[in-house]
Amino acid sequence: ETGVTQTPRHLVMGMTNKKSLKCEQHLGHNAMYWYKQSAKKPLELMFVYSLEERVENNSVPSRFSPECPNSSHLFLHLHTLQPEDSALYLCASSSSSGDNSGANVLTFGAGSRLTVL
Amino acid sequence: KQEVTQIPAALSVPEGENLVLNCSFTDSAIYNLQWFRQDPGKGLTSLLLIQSSQREQTSGRLNASLDKSSGRSTLYIAASQPGDSATYLCAVLELGQAGTALIFGKGTTLSVSS
Repeated sequence: ETGVTQTPRHLVMGMTNKKSLKCEQHLGHNAMYWYKQSAKKPLELMFVYSLEERVENNSVPSRFSPECPNSSHLFLHLHTLQPEDSALYLCASSSSSGDNSGANVLTFGAGSRLTVL
Repeated sequence: KQEVTQIPAALSVPEGENLVLNCSFTDSAIYNLQWFRQDPGKGLTSLLLIQSSQREQTSGRLNASLDKSSGRSTLYIAASQPGDSATYLCAVLELGQAGTALIFGKGTTLSVSS
């Protein structure tokens, strides 16, 4: 257990469903991340919430919608996904000093395995 | 655009061998470099972090080096064990459009046989 908990661990959904992935950390971190890990591809950063401010990532389709209600919780809302969205979605957290000093060490959750039929 | 490459993609060795995993990156303007381990179906576990001003870090049987000017890092595993079997990921932390972000390689999948 790393201190970053993701639920559900496995999710199967149809293309018309709406579902959400949840991430929770009690490490006192103030930055949280969503990463996507597809087969044969490097991990891709999807979203960052740092010091309670969301940083946009224009390359992520709008069918993925993040929500960060507080510094300990992060959601990824899923709507009308495509089969190619099937992947392992990893949440991570870190202590951000806000000055991009590079001291960030990310702690990852175990991931949510998503299958879109 | 930063790209991280890991060679080899897969490696099989008998128990007890010393081995080296390679990582290269295209933009040397990084804050740090991290090596992670990922077991099948699991999340990532941080193994070693090397700040941009450092040359190497050691933890037990693991030693990671960083040559920022040439854009290279190596992870040395001494006296490999079957429990070392996993995928090893290299990632660099840089300042991008989304603030600081980790850019990952595709990983090296290691299999150590007993």
